Amino acid sequence: GQNIDQPTEMTATEGAIVQINCTYQTSGFNGLFWYQQHAGEAPTFLSYNVLDGLEEKGRFSSFLSRSKGYSYLLLKELQMKDSASYLCAVSDSNYQLIWGAGTKLIIKP
Amino acid sequence: EAQVTQNPRYLITVTGKKLTVTCSQNMNHEYMSWYRQDPGLGLRQIYYSMNVEVTDKGDVPEGYKVSRKEKRNFPLILESPSPNQTSLYFCASSLDGTSGANVLTFGAGSRLTVL
Repeated sequence: GQNIDQPTEMTATEGAIVQINCTYQTSGFNGLFWYQQHAGEAPTFLSYNVLDGLEEKGRFSSFLSRSKGYSYLLLKELQMKDSASYLCAVSDSNYQLIWGAGTKLIIKP
Repeated sequence: EAQVTQNPRYLITVTGKKLTVTCSQNMNHEYMSWYRQDPGLGLRQIYYSMNVEVTDKGDVPEGYKVSRKEKRNFPLILESPSPNQTSLYFCASSLDGTSGANVLTFGAGSRLTVL
């Protein structure tokens, strides 16, 4: 079967760095997405990786290792507004998205 | 402004009373999809549409219907709602559904309660 695993909840301190991991087993791979979702709001796109390596976009970076079925989202210089859920999703062989359950990130002052 | 609009945002209804959640996008996107989101389960796809008059079942289609008569609209129909359909529903669209880099734009969500 197809499966996406990510931690349910993480806590970090304002100004610090946090890494949210995602492991996947899917039928085919056409890229991996990270979305941010604030409580009660719609998910919004953060990043897309299809090749191995690190993609940096401001305070956020996303890493992919296809051979290990592994990705992480790195958030630097954490701000209170980064408190949200972070959703990992993989595009499978039919270009349909398989979603993880999301990681709720709590930022403490 | 490029957006996906869904209505109603909030709805409380009773078992068996047919309802429709509308979804409209103004980005000329070919691909549209409906998801439900429940605590601890993440986003689960209900139905999707690759283009006008083309719809396919997602992971949890039971109890739902959709139609795609026009490119911009993709309504979700609950013919006879039941309490287990109480959930947060999201409509989403993207340029097309035939590439990996298929970035979805989501509507604001519709919170449905079935009593």
